Amino acid sequence: NAGVTQTPKFQVLKTGQSMTLQCAQDMNHEYMSWYRQDPGMGLRLIHYSVGAGITDQGEVPNGYNVSRSTTEDFPLRLLSAAPSQTSVYFCASITTGGRKTQYFGPGTRLLVL
Amino acid sequence: RKEVEQDPGPFNVPEGATVAFNCTYSNSASQSFFWYRQDCRKEPKLLMSVYSSGNEDGRFTAQLNRASQYISLLIRDSKLSDSATYLCVVNLVGTSYGKLTFGQGTILTVHP
Repeated sequence: NAGVTQTPKFQVLKTGQSMTLQCAQDMNHEYMSWYRQDPGMGLRLIHYSVGAGITDQGEVPNGYNVSRSTTEDFPLRLLSAAPSQTSVYFCASITTGGRKTQYFGPGTRLLVL
Repeated sequence: RKEVEQDPGPFNVPEGATVAFNCTYSNSASQSFFWYRQDCRKEPKLLMSVYSSGNEDGRFTAQLNRASQYISLLIRDSKLSDSATYLCVVNLVGTSYGKLTFGQGTILTVHP
């Protein structure tokens, strides 16, 4: 199993550009989520999904869209990039058992100029 | 008050030392607790779950105190390779998602 994969690893955008961060998992987990991690802020939940076709907002959803057309894929779209979206983005796949263990992808480092 | 708060650190300890981190959580309905480890510029990885009776995994011991709403992580005989950021994670079971909340992390540096 590859686990959770994310692409790209690094990205530089100009303000106003849009892009999609890709996330895929091969563990057949129903739950997936997107976090951003900023210095001094810890991991903050952007959006999450409890299954194909079902998504919901997390703590910091503004400026981001998600969709979940398959169990495996959960892309995150930046609609119009802003410097405040410079961050490290982690996708996670979550076991559906009682203890909800998260498995993270390697992250995408995004710089918005 | 933050939902999950950790010792700010950083902790700088010599090899072989014993070090302990604490984490407090605000929601008494929280059901599951974890410690994650994050190396520099890497993704967080599960270190261990925390069980009500306390649990041990090699040099690592995790404890839960529901009455005082805190969990702890004890590392014995510290190794250089233990240098990392340790994240406390709390799960509110019973929601449709299982809301996982992360602490900001405690930085540990083990030096020779």
